[in-house]
Amino acid sequence: AQKITQTQPGMFVQEKEAVTLDCTYDTSDPSYGLFWYKQPSSGEMIFLIYQGSYDQQNATEGRYSLNFQKARKSANLVISASQLGDSAMYFCAMREHVDAGNNRKLIWGLGTSLAVNP
Amino acid sequence: DTEVTQTPKHLVMGMTNKKSLKCEQHMGHRAMYWYKQKAKKPPELMFVYSYEKLSINESVPSRFSPECPNSSLLNLHLHALQPEDSALYLCASSQDLAGDNSPLHFGNGTRLTVT
Repeated sequence: AQKITQTQPGMFVQEKEAVTLDCTYDTSDPSYGLFWYKQPSSGEMIFLIYQGSYDQQNATEGRYSLNFQKARKSANLVISASQLGDSAMYFCAMREHVDAGNNRKLIWGLGTSLAVNP
Repeated sequence: DTEVTQTPKHLVMGMTNKKSLKCEQHMGHRAMYWYKQKAKKPPELMFVYSYEKLSINESVPSRFSPECPNSSLLNLHLHALQPEDSALYLCASSQDLAGDNSPLHFGNGTRLTVT
């Protein structure tokens, strides 16, 4: 079963509008981290925002905010005032324990392709 | 600007060639990663080094050979690759492998084409 689910393969948004990219996760680990990465067509994987499982407040970084609903196991990314440069693939990922040695791996969603229209 | 530097940006190699991908970070991170990514797919983990020791090998074929000469450098040696190995290879680093959930920071990647 998918541990990270991104239900929107593709999204369109008008420039200057806000957009929400959905992400739900599944874990029994009480300590985990949730991340959003942006990957433009040029290929670099850019870290956007992080939410820890024990964080009480929703994370924000400039125009990016993470709508963290722990009971629903969702971690949606909100991009405010979209810009043309926001057109990219967006991946939601979760870091959790994978073995008894306390090693943690990053589990990825399949991504959402966002296109910002002028 | 990315704080993880990968070279080369592009690489074309034949199936009998030997080449190496290089990665460098100066963030004091103790975990370094190699990922392989096919178009429109999420990255797939290949190897993880923690404190310069190989900690995770995701059953990668032996034609890929990682090396961590020191805490700042990570190499991926390539030999006798197949055309299906053509992909974007991403290097990443994080503060640690265990004990924290800090983010991974990625380099710009090497686009590898095997002919």
